[in-house]
Amino acid sequence: KAGVTQTPRYLIKTRGQQVTLSCSPISGHRSVSWYQQTPGQGLQFLFEYFSETQRNKGNFPGRFSGRQFSNSRSEMNVSTLELGDSALYLCASNSDRGYEQYFGPGTRLTVT
Amino acid sequence: AQSVTQLGSHVSVSEGALVLLRCNYSSSVPPYLFWYVQYPNQGLQLLLKYTSAATLVKGINGFEAEFKKSETSFHLTKPSAHMSDAAEYFCAVSGMTGGGNKLTFGTGTQLKVEL
Repeated sequence: KAGVTQTPRYLIKTRGQQVTLSCSPISGHRSVSWYQQTPGQGLQFLFEYFSETQRNKGNFPGRFSGRQFSNSRSEMNVSTLELGDSALYLCASNSDRGYEQYFGPGTRLTVT
Repeated sequence: AQSVTQLGSHVSVSEGALVLLRCNYSSSVPPYLFWYVQYPNQGLQLLLKYTSAATLVKGINGFEAEFKKSETSFHLTKPSAHMSDAAEYFCAVSGMTGGGNKLTFGTGTQLKVEL
């Protein structure tokens, strides 16, 4: 079974720009979660999508948004980038049973 | 609200020694608990999970954890450390929220293994 894939792996953007990150979950998984990891704030939950619907949302500003497609692939978008958005963005593919989440390698976003 | 606290941001052990990484949780509902490991420049790898079955949970790479409700703890142990165990370890808690689930992570423990 293929694992979770995230693209791109590395990204450098300038303040004020927007960015879109992509995640393909494990085949058969209908739920995808996104997390932000920074040295200062640690791992923080962004949002979860299940069958194309946002099911949970973390405490992030509206500049952070996401969506899920019918094939369960998910994208997250960050608009009007700030320096503080520099982070590792992790996508997790969620099992329907057992509640375990399987993580992709992450996208390292650097905002300059 | 759910939370986990990991005691010790850095732990150093000798190769072959016992590894003990501490995690205490707070949850208003029966929790699901997890340990993840993260190697440099990689994502998180699931080591083991507790989902209300056996209280002693065995995971990959020789790790295990014991769920102790009376102590609200879920400490991670490994009898004999190996150099390849050097990494950052995260404890996480999950509970049913709004029909879905999200993981709340601890701040992580960096494990160093010395010769």
